[in-house]
Amino acid sequence: GAVVSQHPSRVICKSGTSVKIECRSLDFQATTMFWYRQFPKQSLMLMATSNEGSKATYEQGVEKDKFLINHASLTLSTLTVTSAHPEDSSFYICSARERAGAPYRPYNEQFFGPGTRLTVL
Amino acid sequence: DAKTTQPPSMDCAEGRAANLPCNHSTISGNEYVYWYRQIHSQGPQYIIHGLKNNETNEMASLIITEDRKSSTLILPHATLRDTAVYYCIVRSRSGNTPLVFGKGTRLSVIA
Repeated sequence: GAVVSQHPSRVICKSGTSVKIECRSLDFQATTMFWYRQFPKQSLMLMATSNEGSKATYEQGVEKDKFLINHASLTLSTLTVTSAHPEDSSFYICSARERAGAPYRPYNEQFFGPGTRLTVL
Repeated sequence: DAKTTQPPSMDCAEGRAANLPCNHSTISGNEYVYWYRQIHSQGPQYIIHGLKNNETNEMASLIITEDRKSSTLILPHATLRDTAVYYCIVRSRSGNTPLVFGKGTRLSVIA
C-alpha cells in the first residue's frame, strides 16, 4: 500500500520546450503533495507544496511561473517545467500525504514517488 | 523543526550490523525522529520513526536516547542492497509541514 507513481521516469527535451511530470497516489487519497528537486550528489530540496484544489506554495527562490504545479484531484498532481533550460536538468521527486483520518496508515506520513530524471539539451 | 547532524559517510561489512548515528539536540517534546533512505536514482524510502521509545520493524531498529538528543538506526545484518544515503529527520507529526532533508549519511556496505 501507499504507492506513489511518477511519469515519465526519464525525459530528455530540447532547451526552450516545456515538460510535464505526473505524480499519482495509486491506493490512497493525497490531500497534500510535495515536489522536490535533487541535483547530483546533493540532498533533496523542497520546491513547493500543493493542496488539492488550492494554489501551490513555493519555497523561496523557486519561480512559480517556471514550475507550474496543478493538484486538481486527490490522486494526481502535475509539475510543468516551462521553457526548460539545461540548468533545469535534475531529478524531480514528488511526495504525497494521505488524507487525515486514514485508518490503516500512520497519519501525516509522506510517501515518495520513484523520481523523474529530466535532461535538457 | 529541529536540525539534525549525521556523519557524511560510513562503511559496513556485509552481514554485520550497521549503526547510523544522528544528533538532534534541539528536538522538542512533540517532534518525532524519522529515518528514510535513498538508494541511487530512486525516491526516498521510509524506514522507521519514533518518539521516545525504541522501535523495531522488519527493516531496522531505532534507538533513541533517554534525553532524546540523539538516536541510532540499526540495520542488524547489512546487505549490499542496503548501500544508500540515510536521512535522519526530526519533525512534528501534526500539522502540514513537509519533510526537510539534510545531507544524510552515505552508507557503503562492502562484501
